[in-house]
Amino acid sequence: GNPVTQMEGPVTLSEEAFLTINCTYTATGYPSLFWYVQYPGEGLQLLLKATKADDKGSNKGFEATYRKETTSFHLEKGSVQVSDSAVYFCALSDRTGANNLFFGTGTRLTVIP
Amino acid sequence: EAQVTQNPRYLITVTGKKLTVTCSQNMNHEYMSWYRQDPGLGLRQIYYSMNVEVTDKGDVPEGYKVSRKEKRNFPLILESPSPNQTSLYFCASSFGDKLYEQYFGPGTRLTVT
Repeated sequence: GNPVTQMEGPVTLSEEAFLTINCTYTATGYPSLFWYVQYPGEGLQLLLKATKADDKGSNKGFEATYRKETTSFHLEKGSVQVSDSAVYFCALSDRTGANNLFFGTGTRLTVIP
Repeated sequence: EAQVTQNPRYLITVTGKKLTVTCSQNMNHEYMSWYRQDPGLGLRQIYYSMNVEVTDKGDVPEGYKVSRKEKRNFPLILESPSPNQTSLYFCASSFGDKLYEQYFGPGTRLTVT
């Protein structure tokens, strides 16, 4: 099965609200973890990454910390903007082969003014 | 501009009529991949290629073919499309040493009637 479990959406927030999108994983060893973002009508873009335990990935005000003890990689942003409206995908790579990049089901975020 | 391009962006076709979706990247990436995106299922890998003339199956290869005759191009071929192949398709590419940090094309929305 899919080793990435992602919070179901959709999520609707008011501008400047705090955002958390949960992501947990199952994997042996030390996978690399990613968040990708898909803006309307576009392909996915890498938002941030973390390659080892306790690493914090950050970009555009978004952050996620690789927590091995809870096997989690939750995405957070302190103050969302309308322009953050998109679908967010958590992804995992166990680094054992070229095809091993697993995506969560995606969480649609809508930010209203 | 570094990019992955796909054509066509939208396609409506009938069952059994062979079609090809093209993918091209201008970043000299070794690795290329095809995904399909379906509601509630996230992204699933169809085929991938580590380099020219090297291709392999992903998680959902049935009903699809690919080829990699040139480094920049990785077409997806549906020999006899069926309605269950109606989906949003994405091509992606990456460098060999950053295999899991993929650049995505804008997507091709395919409808098979």
